[in-house]
Amino acid sequence: DGGITQSPKYLFRKEGQNVTLSCEQNLNHDAMYWYRQDPGQGLRLIYYSQIVNDFQKGDIAEGYSVSREKKESFPLTVTSAQKNPTAFYLCASSLRDIRGYGYTFGSGTRLTVV
Amino acid sequence: GDSVTQMEGPVTLSEEAFLTINCTYTATGYPSLFWYVQYPGEGLQLLLKATKADDKGSNKGFEATYRKETTSFHLEKGSVQVSDSAVYFCALRDTNAGKSTFGDGTTLTVKP
Repeated sequence: DGGITQSPKYLFRKEGQNVTLSCEQNLNHDAMYWYRQDPGQGLRLIYYSQIVNDFQKGDIAEGYSVSREKKESFPLTVTSAQKNPTAFYLCASSLRDIRGYGYTFGSGTRLTVV
Repeated sequence: GDSVTQMEGPVTLSEEAFLTINCTYTATGYPSLFWYVQYPGEGLQLLLKATKADDKGSNKGFEATYRKETTSFHLEKGSVQVSDSAVYFCALRDTNAGKSTFGDGTTLTVKP
């Protein structure tokens, strides 16, 4: 079955460390997105990519970086510059230019700073 | 820019009660509208959608109608169950099928 896989499910980061969250999809979707969700709050867009080798900053890109070298993969790196990284991170994918096509979400990665 | 405003929660209902979660939007062009559901500790799942005025999206007993004149897409269910307890997000996707804009989510708790 096609889907979108995020790993790991739980991740612990020490102060000053960079960590990378994985997001892989086998849905042949063009577009991929990273969101951050804090407890009791909505989704905030970090980065998104509409095609391979291209990506754009979202609303809260500072302290994060991404790459899109393959259509299937869109990893997110949380750098040491991100001062408050503890949150639930969601990856999503979708087709482009198809009216009415929604997002498929992964099951999320919960990142905790220790 | 585009925006989505949802009814603030939390919403607490008894089993078999009627549910309405209000959603209004502001957008240029003619967006597609969506409702997503998020169960605890999980990602969001697409619940239903509508792509043009007066379209009704429906799934699992939930319904929402695209009202262009009132720029609304309210979620309804006639008889909620405990298993419907979750966070519900209203969203729009712009005319050119680019990024989606999400509301802040409404937490629903259904008590037996």
